[in-house]
Amino acid sequence: EAQVTQNPRYLITVTGKKLTVTCSQNMNHEYMSWYRQDPGLGLRQIYYSMNVEVTDKGDVPEGYKVSRKEKRNFPLILESPSPNQTSLYFCASSSIVGTGTDTQYFGPGTRLTVL
Amino acid sequence: GQSLEQPSEVTAVEGAIVQINCTYQTSGFYGLSWYQQHDGGAPTFLSYNALDGLEETGRFSSFLSRSDSYGYLLLQELQMKDSASYFCAVRDRGSNYQLIWGAGTKLIIKP
Repeated sequence: EAQVTQNPRYLITVTGKKLTVTCSQNMNHEYMSWYRQDPGLGLRQIYYSMNVEVTDKGDVPEGYKVSRKEKRNFPLILESPSPNQTSLYFCASSSIVGTGTDTQYFGPGTRLTVL
Repeated sequence: GQSLEQPSEVTAVEGAIVQINCTYQTSGFYGLSWYQQHDGGAPTFLSYNALDGLEETGRFSSFLSRSDSYGYLLLQELQMKDSASYFCAVRDRGSNYQLIWGAGTKLIIKP
């Protein structure tokens, strides 16, 4: 089954404690991205990656890191989480542009609370 | 700069037709997509327009006019399950093909 998986689905942590949210896709997609969603603000892109070892900042990259060492995985790292990073996070993947469509496949989301 | 504008909220009656508009400003338009998101769920893909005109998928249709930098999503025969948020998104060639998102339109359907 084609899917994007994220772990954990829910996480409560404390300020300053490093954490990683994993994202994996099984569709051999080149393009992967991370979003955060806050009430009334829609989806805001944090980082995206066009392929292995290629990452770019989105609209709200401060306080986040990513890596793309393998095509299927795109972890999101919060080195020193702060309460303003409390949010709902989504990972998404898609094939490269030029394939006639632009379908983003989203993971189920990770609800993060930083105390 | 890049921007997308869509209404924050639209209300319609069950069985009716509703149109959600999206106007965009980008440096290199590549395509316009629409997504649906129910409360607590992940966004799911609805449709994609790269060329001018209408794309139809069942009760949902999407329209694009590149000369007007405008598109819309048309939902027909509205059902209560269509109550959700709808997002337009534009792929921007001028920003390394970054996907730019609108803030979303909350569709409220009344019986």
